[in-house]
Amino acid sequence: DQQVKQNSPSLSVQEGRISILNCDYTNSMFDYFLWYKKYPAEGPTFLISISSIKDKNEDGRFTVFLNKSAKHLSLHIVPSQPGDSAVYFCAASEEGTYKYIFGTGTRLKVLA
Amino acid sequence: DARVTQTPRHKVTEMGQEVTMRCQPILGHNTVFWYRQTMMQGLELLAYFRNRAPLDDSGMPKDRFSAEMPDATLATLKIQPSEPRDSAVYFCASGSRQGGTGELFFGEGSRLTVL
Repeated sequence: DQQVKQNSPSLSVQEGRISILNCDYTNSMFDYFLWYKKYPAEGPTFLISISSIKDKNEDGRFTVFLNKSAKHLSLHIVPSQPGDSAVYFCAASEEGTYKYIFGTGTRLKVLA
Repeated sequence: DARVTQTPRHKVTEMGQEVTMRCQPILGHNTVFWYRQTMMQGLELLAYFRNRAPLDDSGMPKDRFSAEMPDATLATLKIQPSEPRDSAVYFCASGSRQGGTGELFFGEGSRLTVL
């Protein structure tokens, strides 16, 4: 039973345009969310987080939006750069547990 | 530069052999995780520890997998006997929820191939 779902296995975007990566979850007790980027042969690296008390968090070119009622979050990358080409994972944890459940990932390809 | 260290980076073994993967978490982190990356499941949580005590290992096949933290600087994941379906990349991650973003720091992974 996949509690965190990334329904788009892959996404291609032109350089300079916006990339939007989506993530859905089923557990209403999740209260903290992370996004990670992963290059081949490397471990995932942290990008940005959001708490359930917020609906938006920005860090440079990266913005995460959280819609609690829809149990949906999205990562926006603006403008997209070729170096952003990687696999992106969202993760969620339940209040007080610090136990992160990850999604299946979305492979982003930014075309020059 | 603090980092999570995993060994071995690559392991090729034959079915039925024992495999042990090791992880050195970042000093001061009190929570350690083992994840497995597969195409179908993404990053699948196998087990995690807090202050060296196992909190949840429900993601592991209990008959063949075991995870331990003999001390605060070492976490191990053992597979005995190994099977071809265990072939995957295994990641260790550590973190501490006190302060900061609560992010997990991942090692570079151990790529296991079971023939």
